[in-house]
Amino acid sequence: GESVGLHLPTLSVQEGDNSIINCAYSNSASDYFIWYKQESGKGPQFIIDIRSNMDKRQGQRVTVLLNKTVKHLSLQIAATQPGDSAVYFCAESPVFSGGYNKLIFGAGTRLAVHP
Amino acid sequence: DAGVTQSPTHLIKTRGQQVTLRCSPKSGHDTVSWYQQALGQGPQFIFQYYEEEERQRGNFPDRFSGHQFPNYSSELNVNALLLGDSALYLCASSLARTGTYNSPLHFGNGTRLTVT
Repeated sequence: GESVGLHLPTLSVQEGDNSIINCAYSNSASDYFIWYKQESGKGPQFIIDIRSNMDKRQGQRVTVLLNKTVKHLSLQIAATQPGDSAVYFCAESPVFSGGYNKLIFGAGTRLAVHP
Repeated sequence: DAGVTQSPTHLIKTRGQQVTLRCSPKSGHDTVSWYQQALGQGPQFIFQYYEEEERQRGNFPDRFSGHQFPNYSSELNVNALLLGDSALYLCASSLARTGTYNSPLHFGNGTRLTVT
């Protein structure tokens, strides 16, 4: 069945280092991918998204890489800060159709940033 | 610019009872989706409403139902509550598009439902 999984459930980094969070997806029909950050007691917060016709997309301190050959998605966070500590989810969406936007989420990776 | 707002923030119910959760979408959004997030897991899609109709549904029983109002706000109803329904219920809004690019979902902070 469809699934979105993560390689590492917990990632610990030093403040100032770069972080890389990985994600594998299994539905080759998905054409849209998105990363969310969820802090304790809050809902998921949009970070960055990417369509399947792209390999890379950059935002502010974040970069998403998409490798469709191996169905792999990664989120890179530059100069990680304590405020980046949270659970990160990748999610995929089937081929877009008429505004539908059903997301399939993985279990999440916890990022812990140490001073 | 108000984001997605949900009420109540916390709720405790007894098995067999019914519950209604409410959601107001982000300003300018017309589509509302509901997700269930069990502790330590990723959100799972329940259903999505657009133009006051349910247009997609996840793998949830008919005990889960919803409604969307003309002002785009939405309700999630769960009947005959089970212990396993205890979770964080998230509402997300987006803007329906006729093009080929998805509108990112914006989530509220959720309603924490505890069934005892």
